[in-house]
Amino acid sequence: AAGVIQSPRHLIKEKRETATLKCYPIPRHDTVYWYQQGPGQDPQFLISFYEKMQSDKGSIPDRFSAQQFSDYHSELNMSSLELGDSALYFCASTAWGTSSGNTIYFGEGSWLTVV
Amino acid sequence: AQKITQTQPGMFVQEKEAVTLDCTYDTSDPSYGLFWYKQPSSGEMIFLIYQGSYDQQNATEGRYSLNFQKARKSANLVISASQLGDSAMYFCAMREGPSSNTGKLIFGQGTTLQVKP
Repeated sequence: AAGVIQSPRHLIKEKRETATLKCYPIPRHDTVYWYQQGPGQDPQFLISFYEKMQSDKGSIPDRFSAQQFSDYHSELNMSSLELGDSALYFCASTAWGTSSGNTIYFGEGSWLTVV
Repeated sequence: AQKITQTQPGMFVQEKEAVTLDCTYDTSDPSYGLFWYKQPSSGEMIFLIYQGSYDQQNATEGRYSLNFQKARKSANLVISASQLGDSAMYFCAMREGPSSNTGKLIFGQGTTLQVKP
């Protein structure tokens, strides 16, 4: 079965650079979540989208922005990168309003290293 | 205030034995969902099992079962017949509100499970 696809899987950026992470949800999933997981930490919610509209916002820095496109894929844009942004970034998806909403599936994550 | 608490930072279990990973939660919402995820050292987050607050029976998925005690606000994961491949970090998570909404997951601190041969 198709899963949540994230790209790139790994990227290395220098401080003050910009990075873009992409997420392709499971087909027919209309809700996307972004999470950030620092080393040895639990995942922290950043932002979510339902039907291309922002549905909730968590501890996302102002330097970060995200959107969901018409094909439901989502992108997380991170600017002015700092060393502390080094983390594993997850995208997750679910289908709102259905029994499938009982399951939230995560992608394999994108490892960001800021040097 | 911490909404999801996993009090066991690390656990050991002998291969083929059963193990229980503890999770307690705190919410005032009568409708919520509880999730367990497995995170191997490779990093991916793998969905294991889900329990809704109104579900009458404890959830089961293969070797995984959820011991849901609503009055005690606990949702412990039971892994039967442990395998070496079960060695990983395990996260308990909660979503407040009915399954029909887009509520975010709140995670516990995680429990590292090591299965010994």
